[in-house]
Amino acid sequence: AQRVTQPEKLLSVFKGAPVELKCNYSYSGSPELFWYVQYSRQRLQLLLRHISRESIKGFTADLNKGETSFHLKKPFAQEEDSAMYYCALTSLGNTGKLIFGQGTTLQVKP
Amino acid sequence: NAGVTQTPKFQVLKTGQSMTLQCAQDMNHEYMSWYRQDPGMGLRLIHYSVGAGITDQGEVPNGYNVSRSTTEDFPLRLLSAAPSQTSVYFCASGTTKGGYTFGSGTRLTVV
Repeated sequence: AQRVTQPEKLLSVFKGAPVELKCNYSYSGSPELFWYVQYSRQRLQLLLRHISRESIKGFTADLNKGETSFHLKKPFAQEEDSAMYYCALTSLGNTGKLIFGQGTTLQVKP
Repeated sequence: NAGVTQTPKFQVLKTGQSMTLQCAQDMNHEYMSWYRQDPGMGLRLIHYSVGAGITDQGEVPNGYNVSRSTTEDFPLRLLSAAPSQTSVYFCASGTTKGGYTFGSGTRLTVV
């Protein structure tokens, strides 16, 4: 079965501090992992896709198959990063079934 | 190119009423999905479709029906609304080559 776990409901950091949002997954096949972001009362937007290995808005994420993790990192948090972040999983090649974690609210304090 | 359009944006229903949430996309995406978003629960998949005429259940399908007669449209039907279905509903569309595009959501309250 597919499962995504984000253990932190809330992560609060000061501006300029490093950020790591944790994501662990359970999946028996070859996974494809994503990070989505939702700013206050807006629609979800794609932030990162692991196979593209891009860095968006200073965020990066590396898929660790040994630890079944896909943690989101940013070296220096900005106030505009405050949002809800969701980790999501589908099978490699995307079979259409995209499962999300519970989400983590990132609060960046001035 | 409007992306993913959901209607209505807000709705209040009485227990037992039925209604259909509309979702349309103009990007010719194969995949479409419906999610509900609840505090502390994240987004949970209700139903999804990999093409016209093909639908499948997600994590929380009970109380909801879907159909996909065209590539563009993927309506979600609540047959007999219950207070437990009070939530924000998001529709999304995607392809094998990229991530999903989400609609702006429908805030549903069942009283």
